[in-house]
Amino acid sequence: GDSVTQMEGPVTLSEEAFLTINCTYTATGYPSLFWYVQYPGEGLQLLLKATKADDKGSNKGFEATYRKETTSFHLEKGSVQVSDSAVYFCALEDSGAGSYQLTFGKGTKLSVIP
Amino acid sequence: DTGVSQDPRHKITKRGQNVTFRCDPISEHNRLYWYRQTLGQGPEFLTYFQNEAQLEKSRLLSDRFSAERPKGSFSTLEIQRTEQGDSAMYLCASSLGTPKDSPLHFGNGTRLTVT
Repeated sequence: GDSVTQMEGPVTLSEEAFLTINCTYTATGYPSLFWYVQYPGEGLQLLLKATKADDKGSNKGFEATYRKETTSFHLEKGSVQVSDSAVYFCALEDSGAGSYQLTFGKGTKLSVIP
Repeated sequence: DTGVSQDPRHKITKRGQNVTFRCDPISEHNRLYWYRQTLGQGPEFLTYFQNEAQLEKSRLLSDRFSAERPKGSFSTLEIQRTEQGDSAMYLCASSLGTPKDSPLHFGNGTRLTVT
């Protein structure tokens, strides 16, 4: 079945550091890929998405590129801020396999210190 | 847009009891999803509705679990004869379309503890 593997956390960075959170996936079809974020005390919300190979999703300074050849969708940000402290979830939707559910990774907790 | 609302926020119950959770989606959203999340894990899909029709159910959803969305608005998730393994955060989400086309908006969840 479909699955998402993302790097274990927690990750602690100093403000303005470069961030990478790795995400790889396994899917039977041709999935769409997502990063969802959960800020403290809030529900999960969509950060960015990419729906086909080589697409780059971007939002709030975060970027991720859909790499079909490496089945990856790594999240990057050039300069993190304290306000980026949250739990980040990589996810996929494999609608080509007839399912409209999201399959999530385990999440990576990011803490940014001043 | 008042967001997705879930009730109650916390529920503690004894093993073997029945529990029911409620989700009120964003009003114009026709899709409603239930997920379950345990500590250190990502959300796991349980079921989803388009309007009042339940279109997909996970094999995680045993016979003890039932979900309804009677008028295509709010939804309830009932767990019968609760077990300790049912302890988790139950998340509801709603959207205007498929995840590819429309972001899921999640509520803050109902945390269930089975003693």
